[in-house]
Amino acid sequence: GESVGLHLPTLSVQEGDNSIINCAYSNSASDYFIWYKQESGKGPQFIIDIRSNMDKRQGQRVTVLLNKTVKHLSLQIAATQPGDSAVYFCAEPPSRTGNQFYFGTGTSLTVIP
Amino acid sequence: AAGVIQSPRHLIKEKRETATLKCYPIPRHDTVYWYQQGPGQDPQFLISFYEKMQSDKGSIPDRFSAQQFSDYHSELNMSSLELGDSALYFCASSPTGTTGMNTEAFFGQGTRLTVV
Repeated sequence: GESVGLHLPTLSVQEGDNSIINCAYSNSASDYFIWYKQESGKGPQFIIDIRSNMDKRQGQRVTVLLNKTVKHLSLQIAATQPGDSAVYFCAEPPSRTGNQFYFGTGTSLTVIP
Repeated sequence: AAGVIQSPRHLIKEKRETATLKCYPIPRHDTVYWYQQGPGQDPQFLISFYEKMQSDKGSIPDRFSAQQFSDYHSELNMSSLELGDSALYFCASSPTGTTGMNTEAFFGQGTRLTVV
């Protein structure tokens, strides 16, 4: 079945630096990905999404890059702030309506003041 | 904007007891997902419903059951609770997009279940 996974479980960055969180996927037919942020004790929150007809999408301080050739996507956070400390998941919506969202292993981002 | 509502937010039960978790999806969302997340772990998919029918099933124990009602709210029933059932239980809802596929899932704040 499909799998979505992250390369590193933890990441520590200095406040103000840029953060890059990576994610690999295995299903070459995947055409839509979502990044979620989960703060401690809270539900995952949507950050940004990208479809396979794009290789880059920008939001407020966040950019997602998609490399379909190597089945890899990354989340870049510019000027990381303490409030960015959280666990980040990449997720793949189901290929069939109603099927599960596949979550990759989360990366815990810690911002050092 | 309306979000996914879960109740209760916190629940403490003893071993072998029964618990019922409720989820109220965002209006006009036709799909509901249940996930279980242990401390420091990734969300584990339990079960999903689309248009009130079970759609997909993950690692849900036989002691658990769920259903989606006519108003699209969903309930997760957990019986013979074990210590290992202590976790955050998230519900998410998703609309069906113009392509006929689910788009992003919106998560509730979760129910923290503690089994003692």
